[in-house]
Amino acid sequence: GEDVEQSLFLSVREGDSSVINCTYTDSSSTYLYWYKQEPGAGLQLLTYIFSNMDMKQDQRLTVLLNKKDKHLSLRIADTQTGDSAIYFCAEGGGATNKLIFGTGTLLAVQP
Amino acid sequence: NAGVTQTPKFQVLKTGQSMTLQCAQDMNHEYMSWYRQDPGMGLRLIHYSVGAGITDQGEVPNGYNVSRSTTEDFPLRLLSAAPSQTSVYFCASSYRTGAGGNTIYFGEGSWLTVV
Repeated sequence: GEDVEQSLFLSVREGDSSVINCTYTDSSSTYLYWYKQEPGAGLQLLTYIFSNMDMKQDQRLTVLLNKKDKHLSLRIADTQTGDSAIYFCAEGGGATNKLIFGTGTLLAVQP
Repeated sequence: NAGVTQTPKFQVLKTGQSMTLQCAQDMNHEYMSWYRQDPGMGLRLIHYSVGAGITDQGEVPNGYNVSRSTTEDFPLRLLSAAPSQTSVYFCASSYRTGAGGNTIYFGEGSWLTVV
């Protein structure tokens, strides 16, 4: 079945770059997403990438997609304490637009 | 999370009680869905709907019912609450097609505890 995996925890220092990785199994996914969840809050869509793209940049965020290895990454440049949150990758799209989520990566930014 | 409203935000139930989590969106989205979030398991799809009058099961549908009588509303019913249904529930909606990856909008979540 479909599966999305992420590492559970990442700790970085303020000002450094963060790279959060994700692997997925469904090669038919149309879109791959990154969501951010702050404590006690809902999910905020950060960015997404269409499956025929290799890279997408949006201000401090860079998404890299390796379709051959089914690997997705999110790079946050100049990480700030406000970036501390749980980051979920998800695959989906298609006729029903269902999302399959990873388990989430807790990003802790040390001042 | 503009446009997707969930109620209640917090609820405590006793085992065996029933309740309904409400979800409404004002963006005229065709797609609506319910997810539950549990520690270490990400979000899992419970039920979804591709339009008014159409619903289907997701990954973990047991113990839940849904209906979609209008485009705007997609309530989730717990028939007989069990402690295993203690979770955070998220409602989501999106357009059926279009640019932007059929951007999926989430509500702010409903924290449910079953004792």
